Order: sequence, then C-alpha cells, then structure tokens
Amino acid sequence: QVHLQESGPGLVEPSGTLSLTCSVSGVSISSSNWWSWVRQPPGKGLEWVGEIYPSGGANYNASLKSRVTMSVDKSKNQFSLKLSSVTAADTGVYYCAKDWGRTAPVGYWGQGALVTVSS
Amino acid sequence: QLVLTQSPSASASLGASVKLTCTLSSGHSNYAIAWHQQQPERGPRYLMKVISDGRHSKGDGIPDRFSGSSSGAERYLTISSLQSEDEGDYYCQTWGTGIQVFGGGTKLTVL
Repeated sequence: QVHLQESGPGLVEPSGTLSLTCSVSGVSISSSNWWSWVRQPPGKGLEWVGEIYPSGGANYNASLKSRVTMSVDKSKNQFSLKLSSVTAADTGVYYCAKDWGRTAPVGYWGQGALVTVSS
Repeated sequence: QLVLTQSPSASASLGASVKLTCTLSSGHSNYAIAWHQQQPERGPRYLMKVISDGRHSKGDGIPDRFSGSSSGAERYLTISSLQSEDEGDYYCQTWGTGIQVFGGGTKLTVL
C-alpha cells in the first residue's frame, strides 16, 4: 500500500528557507514517473509547486521557480522540497504526491504538513 | 495559457445527483484532467482521471456513484445518490510538459 508522509519544521522565519521531506513507503521512488509538491494557503485552493522525476529532473511553478529546489534520494526512498526567501504568503499546508499509474501526475496524496512563516 | 475554470459552488439534495464542470482553456480541449475531492478539514483524495473521449479511470476504493465524462473542452464529474460525506471541495487538475494546473475548486453543499 502506497503511503507518503511529509516532515519538516512547522515554523519558518521570514526570509528563511522552508524545507520538507516526503518519505515514501509501499513503492519504490524509481517506479513512478512523477513525484509532486502541492500547497494550499489557509482557506484557499490547491497550487502546484513542482514535480521531480526519479532521474532527478524537475519542473517548477513559474511563479516560484527562482526560489524552489527539489531533490530525490533513492537510497532513502524520499524526495524533498526547499523554498527560499519565504514570506507570510508561503504559509499553508504542503502536500507531497505520487502519480497514478504513470498516467496522471497526482494519484496518491500525503496527509500534508502545515508550515507557518512567522517571526 | 493552460487554465482550468470551475464554478465556485454547487448544491444538491441528499440522495440526488450533481454534475460538476471543469472547463479547459482555448487550445487545450484534448487534455486529460483529474478530479480530486477534499472533505472538510482533510487532505485531498484522487477520484479519477477523465480523458477527452469521456473514458475515465478511478482511484482506489472510489464508489461507483462517482463517474466522469467529457464534451469538447468540458470535463464532468457526476455524483449520484448524494451522501452527506460527499460535501466538500472538488478540484480538477490538468498537466502538460513541465506544468501542472489546478482549477479554483467547486464547493459542494449537500442539502
């Protein structure tokens, strides 16, 4: 059974770097096409942050591209997100996700991690 | 530009059916989409993928009450025999080379 679990600091200071890790169980990271991050500001809709492939190639939301870095650690079956120069607008729940049978980018969701940007 | 448009809200009575619409932007009418459900205070759940010919493939454990269809640039999610637990937000999502896009979501109220 596929399970994704986000982890990382729940509080980040303004201008700092948000760092989250998604631990994957039940499937190998190498077995999927897409691994994605999606975020949701409080009371708002879903926003795609970016996607990474097992090869390490990645694509990012154009509005966040200058601040986002994603990486894959196959040995730990994990992938990670770093978002730099954060502001209060980056506050929200961050979800990691796995594709659906290599035919759709998001078929399995993590439970989400709330990150608050505040001093 | 790849954009998805959803009505902000919808409502239907318990036991009835409802059809939610997701519209693809001009030039993208052949794109597949996915539907995701978010119940109050919970994370999203993948419901199904819907392709341009109307075929759909559902996620793990999704009841038969949920179905997908398509017409032109519109993709639909139909929920029949509405139950109270169907209340929540429904998001459509599409993707292309190096990009993913979510619609703004439709808030479904079960009366």
